Amino acid sequence: NAGVTQTPKFQVLKTGQSMTLQCAQDMNHEYMSWYRQDPGMGLRLIHYSVGAGITDQGEVPNGYNVSRSTTEDFPLRLLSAAPSQTSVYFCASSYSRATRDLNFGPGTRLTVT
Amino acid sequence: GEDVEQSLFLSVREGDSSVINCTYTDSSSTYLYWYKQEPGAGLQLLTYIFSNMDMKQDQRLTVLLNKKDKHLSLRIADTQTGDSAIYFCAEIKSADSNYQLIWGAGTKLIIKP
Repeated sequence: NAGVTQTPKFQVLKTGQSMTLQCAQDMNHEYMSWYRQDPGMGLRLIHYSVGAGITDQGEVPNGYNVSRSTTEDFPLRLLSAAPSQTSVYFCASSYSRATRDLNFGPGTRLTVT
Repeated sequence: GEDVEQSLFLSVREGDSSVINCTYTDSSSTYLYWYKQEPGAGLQLLTYIFSNMDMKQDQRLTVLLNKKDKHLSLRIADTQTGDSAIYFCAEIKSADSNYQLIWGAGTKLIIKP
C-alpha cells in the first residue's frame, strides 16, 4: 500500500491564481480530511468527508472547495489564492468514522505571493 | 482560548525521560491521541488512550490520563536522538460534532547530547 499520497510537494502561486491539491489513498478508508498547519498553531480542519459523495466543512473552510467522487480521491481546490493561505497542507484518512487514528500524507507546502 | 494546550518546547538530555504534558477541556472526549511529526514529514499516530483508561504503556512510551484534571501526559523513557520531533496531543470532540479532532499546538522535543 502506498498509504496517503499528496501532490505536489511544493507550490508557489500568485495572489488570485487557483489550483488543486491532490490527495489519494489506497486503504479503502471512508473518512478523509484536509488540514492546514501554521507555525505555533495546531492543525486546523478545512474540509472533511465521511464517504464518497459526502463532504462537510471544518473549522476554516473559506476559500477552499472539495469533492469526493470516489473513495480514493479527495482533492482540495483553492479558488483564488491569497497570502493568508500560505501554509502546509496535510491530507489524512482513517478507516473508522468514530475514531481518529489518522494516516497522514507527506504534506504540500504552499506559498502565495 | 485553545481547547487543547501544550507547552511549545521541551529540552531533555539523551538517555533521560521526556514528559510531554497536555490539558484538554472536553470532558466527553472518548479518545485522546499523541501524534509525532518528524522534520519535513506528515504526522504519524504514536499512541492513543481510551477515556476509561488511566494508563497505557507501549515499550518506551507511557500515556497517563487524569480525567478529573483533564490532563494527559506522554512519557518517553530513555530518550534517543530519533525522538526529536514535534508531539501533538489531540482529543476527539463529542459525537454531535461528528467526531472531529481538536489539536494542541504541538511540543517540540529537543534532545541535548
